[in-house]
Amino acid sequence: DAGVIQSPRHEVTEMGQEVTLRCKPISGHNSLFWYRQTMMRGLELLIYFNNNVPIDDSGMPEDRFSAKMPNASFSTLKIQPSEPRDSAVYFCASSPLGRLNTEAFFGQGTRLTVV
Amino acid sequence: TQLLEQSPQFLSIQEGENLTVYCNSSSVFSSLQWYRQEPGEGPVLLVTVVTGGEVKKLKRLTFQFGDARKDSSLHITAAQPGDTGLYLCVFTGNQFYFGTGTSLTVIP
Repeated sequence: DAGVIQSPRHEVTEMGQEVTLRCKPISGHNSLFWYRQTMMRGLELLIYFNNNVPIDDSGMPEDRFSAKMPNASFSTLKIQPSEPRDSAVYFCASSPLGRLNTEAFFGQGTRLTVV
Repeated sequence: TQLLEQSPQFLSIQEGENLTVYCNSSSVFSSLQWYRQEPGEGPVLLVTVVTGGEVKKLKRLTFQFGDARKDSSLHITAAQPGDTGLYLCVFTGNQFYFGTGTSLTVIP
């Protein structure tokens, strides 16, 4: 397996534009997580899905953020409209959560810059 | 409030030195994990500790789980520049709870 695949690796956009980040989890994993990482706040959980169903979205900053998982092999995180304070590295991770001492497998992240 | 507090937050040392980073909580855990995140990459699992008092070694890295299963430590012997990165302790419940992290820089 190629691991968790995120695209794009880098995104630069202007304030007010819509941004869509994409993630392909590892096949067979039942859980998918979206994280945001900044120097100030570290690694923050935004939302996670279990069996394609959103379980906890309490970390989503506000209504400008939305996430979907239409099937077991694809998820998107959308920001509309984007703001400079959204600049961060966004990680997607997948896991066979529920198995004993399971592991989170991370993608390489998308570095988002909103100017 | 953070479930897992790590210290120090930042650490810069010379190659060849030893170091210890800590992960503390007021909660008892069934297990704890340590991840390392290298610059430009996502975190990668290093080890899982399960039993109170357990010690696990991974080459020059030694991980210990506290007897009361509330804390853990990571000791690196003779640090090398390749050890540079962000070290995160993690508790796995219904999701992954990440600690505050220790950013380590090893200077050649």
